[in-house]
Amino acid sequence: DAGVIQSPRHEVTEMGQEVTLRCKPISGHDYLFWYRQTMMRGLELLIYFNNNVPIDDSGMPEDRFSAKMPNASFSTLKIQPSEPRDSAVYFCASSPRGAGLMQGQFFGPGTRLTVL
Amino acid sequence: QKEVEQNSGPLSVPEGAIASLNCTYSDRVSQSFFWYRQYSGKSPELIMSIYSNGDKEDGRFTAQLNKASQYVSLLIRDSQPSDSATYLCAVYTDYKLSFGAGTTVTVRA
Repeated sequence: DAGVIQSPRHEVTEMGQEVTLRCKPISGHDYLFWYRQTMMRGLELLIYFNNNVPIDDSGMPEDRFSAKMPNASFSTLKIQPSEPRDSAVYFCASSPRGAGLMQGQFFGPGTRLTVL
Repeated sequence: QKEVEQNSGPLSVPEGAIASLNCTYSDRVSQSFFWYRQYSGKSPELIMSIYSNGDKEDGRFTAQLNKASQYVSLLIRDSQPSDSATYLCAVYTDYKLSFGAGTTVTVRA
């Protein structure tokens, strides 16, 4: 079975550019999460969806960040405009239907973002 | 106070020894507890989950939970070089999973 799929795996961009990260959750999972990981702040939850609906976006750092989930098999995280402090590894994770968060989450390989 | 705190590392253990990792959490209503393993440059991988007080064993891993003390631990028996990684404690509370900063374990041959 395919796990969580993320693209691109690496992204290097210049300050001020728009960045779009993509995620395909595990089929049948109805929770989807976006995390950011840095050495300084560790793993931080940015936003999560249940059945394609955003439930909690309190972790989104500012208005430059936005996330969408147009259907059960696809989500995007967009940063516009990007800044050097956005450099981090961004993970997407999904969680099974029903028990949801009680069963833990399964992470994708991550996107390493570097903003110059 | 951080929601989830882990003992600071790095933790270095000889091959074959027991590695002991500790985690405390601040919210008494937390319901589920997880340990993730993260190799350098890789994504977190779920290795253990525990929901009730007591011990839960899975192979060489044992998770221990004490809700009264708000304490979770992970024991790795017969440590192998392949266990060298960062271990993240995660706590589920109010529809969110909060992660500790992680403890880096190095198993020396």
